[in-house]
Amino acid sequence: EVQLVESGGGLVKPGGSLRLSCTASGFDFRNSYVDWVRQASGKGLEWVARIKHHYFGEARDYAAPVKGRFIVSRDDSKNTLYLQLNSLKTEDTGIYYCVKDYFERFDVWGHGTTVTVS
Amino acid sequence: EIVLTQFPGTLSLSPGERATLSCTASQGVTTNSLVWYQQKPGQAPRLLIYGTSRRATGVADRFSGSGSGTDFTLTINRLEPEDFAVYYCQHYGSSPPITFGQGTRLEIK
Repeated sequence: EVQLVESGGGLVKPGGSLRLSCTASGFDFRNSYVDWVRQASGKGLEWVARIKHHYFGEARDYAAPVKGRFIVSRDDSKNTLYLQLNSLKTEDTGIYYCVKDYFERFDVWGHGTTVTVS
Repeated sequence: EIVLTQFPGTLSLSPGERATLSCTASQGVTTNSLVWYQQKPGQAPRLLIYGTSRRATGVADRFSGSGSGTDFTLTINRLEPEDFAVYYCQHYGSSPPITFGQGTRLEIK
């Protein structure tokens, strides 16, 4: 079964840091792009970051609101994606989804992990 | 950055009716880059349509997508009770950012 399982969410004070993890199974993680998407409570979806696979040098892209504060990384030996959240703001509060990025679409989504900055 | 505007914000229909959801891009986009997702309360989004009109695996054929340029449509024929949800369009272009519309809530009338 293709699966993404996020962890690491929690309550943190403004200015604090948190590291989210996402463990993948059931597909070729090493040769996949993977992204983070977030959703504030009752609001829409917001793309956060993407990391390409090794063939593209694990190139990273970020949304403007998080650039310079968040870092996306991956450990292919562990089939795991990470998101380091630094200098957190209250507006970073929400559910963070890990997604498998396949040819211009997000075809697999994790269940999400909740980050609360307060 | 491509801005996607969805309308209506909320659509109230009855089971068995047809739903037409619109997504307008701030500038022309390629058909390959337009995607639709469904999200039910308390759940992660689910891929419905990619490349404007291609149904994802397991998606019922009552869902269809169309459009080109700046105007795209998701049509749901013969609404079933499980179709009442929030629908998002997405633009996945050749360069970031990847953007989403603000969503259309499809509710039971």
